[in-house]
Amino acid sequence: AQTVTQSQPEMSVQEAETVTLSCTYDTSESNYYLFWYKQPPSRQMILVIRQEAYKQQNATENRFSVNFQKAAKSFSLKISDSQLGDTAMYFCAFMSYNNNDMRFGAGTRLTVKP
Amino acid sequence: DGGITQSPKYLFRKEGQNVTLSCEQNLNHDAMYWYRQDPGQGLRLIYYSQIVNDFQKGDIAEGYSVSREKKESFPLTVTSAQKNPTAFYLCASRDTDNQPQHFGDGTRLSIL
Repeated sequence: AQTVTQSQPEMSVQEAETVTLSCTYDTSESNYYLFWYKQPPSRQMILVIRQEAYKQQNATENRFSVNFQKAAKSFSLKISDSQLGDTAMYFCAFMSYNNNDMRFGAGTRLTVKP
Repeated sequence: DGGITQSPKYLFRKEGQNVTLSCEQNLNHDAMYWYRQDPGQGLRLIYYSQIVNDFQKGDIAEGYSVSREKKESFPLTVTSAQKNPTAFYLCASRDTDNQPQHFGDGTRLSIL
């Protein structure tokens, strides 16, 4: 079974600075998807960014980018120019081509300080 | 607007009582999911359904039941067999295989 590990339970960053959240996963499959979701205090789950495993190019979405290292099974999220609204729990998630379920990490609580 | 609606937002259960959490989507998605989230933890899959009248157990299905009689509806029943039901429950749906899941706003269930 696939597992997703987020080794940083909590992190903080100063407003306008850059922060990187770590995620590693374990799978024997070669085709899969990876996601980062944001869960603000409202508890709504918001998709931040996605990466297809067959794509070597790292995904970017405005201030959010990933560093996808397939061989190392690593999928970190970089947030540039951090804003107060980025304060949230961030979850890394794995989804294989073959299964329809999604595996989540335990989350990293990010606090952006003014 | 298309989306996923979960109701109620807050729910209280008495000991020995079954309660049902509603999840409705108007996104025309085939697949629907139920997750449980405990404080400080990630999401754990309870049940999922890929098509109408079909569903599969996730990692923590014991004490829960679901039905999928309509494409847009996937209610979750928390039975009295679930001894620790206090948690935040999230419903999600997904279109085709290469699309991410969309989530509802969740239901917080507490024991009286």
